[in-house]
Amino acid sequence: QEQLVQSGAEVKKPGASVKVSCKASGYIFTSYYMHWVRQAPGQGLEWMGIINPSGGSTNYAQKFQGRVTMTRDTSTSTVDMELSSLRSEDTAVYYCARDYMYGLDVWGQGTTVTVSS
Amino acid sequence: QSALTQPRSVSGSPGQSVTISCTGTSSDVGGYNYVSWYQQHPGKAPKLMIYDVSKRPSGVPDRFSGSKSGNTASLTISGLQAEDEADYYCFSYAGTYTRVFGGGTKLTVL
Repeated sequence: QEQLVQSGAEVKKPGASVKVSCKASGYIFTSYYMHWVRQAPGQGLEWMGIINPSGGSTNYAQKFQGRVTMTRDTSTSTVDMELSSLRSEDTAVYYCARDYMYGLDVWGQGTTVTVSS
Repeated sequence: QSALTQPRSVSGSPGQSVTISCTGTSSDVGGYNYVSWYQQHPGKAPKLMIYDVSKRPSGVPDRFSGSKSGNTASLTISGLQAEDEADYYCFSYAGTYTRVFGGGTKLTVL
C-alpha cells in the first residue's frame, strides 16, 4: 500500500538547520508531486511548498522562500526538506504529503522539530 | 498568499447536520474547482475527506459532502456521529505550484 515514512524527531538550536526526510513506497514515486506542510503546537496546518519528484522543480510559500530547500532522490524514492536559520517559531510537526488530484491523499506520520536554546 | 477563512468552531448534536465554510478569493477558491477538505484528530496526521470540491475518496462515508459557490467552499457533515469530532481544514489550489490552507475549524459533537 502507498506509504510515506518520515525521519525521526529533531532538536535544534536557534540559527541551525534541519533536514527532514520522507521515503515513499507502494507507488511510482515520480508520478505524484509531494508537498510539505507544518503544524505548530496548537495551531493550524501551514503549506510550505511543493516538489515534482520527476524533474525536481519546486515552489515554496513566500513565507519560507530563502530558508527552505526541497530535494528528491529518485534512486531511493525520498524527498527531503531542509529549513535553515531556525527560530523558536519553527517548532512544529512537519508532514510530507502526496498530491492526488490537487488534494493530499497520503500523509507521512509527521516529524517533530523542536527549536530551543 | 493569505490563509482561507474558516469559522473557528462549529457544533452539533448526534444525528444533526453541520456545515463548515471556507472563504477565499477569486485567486484561489473562486478561481478553480480544486478545493479539498481534511479531518484531523488530536495527535494524528490529517485525512483527506473531499477533493475537487465535492469528490469523496474511497472509504469516506457519504455523510461527508462538499460544495462551492463563488469564493466560498463548504463541507457538510450529515448524521453527525461522535467520531466526527475533530479539526477540519480546507485547502485550495491558488495557481501553478501554489496552495493555501484554511485556518481550521474545531467541530464539537454535543
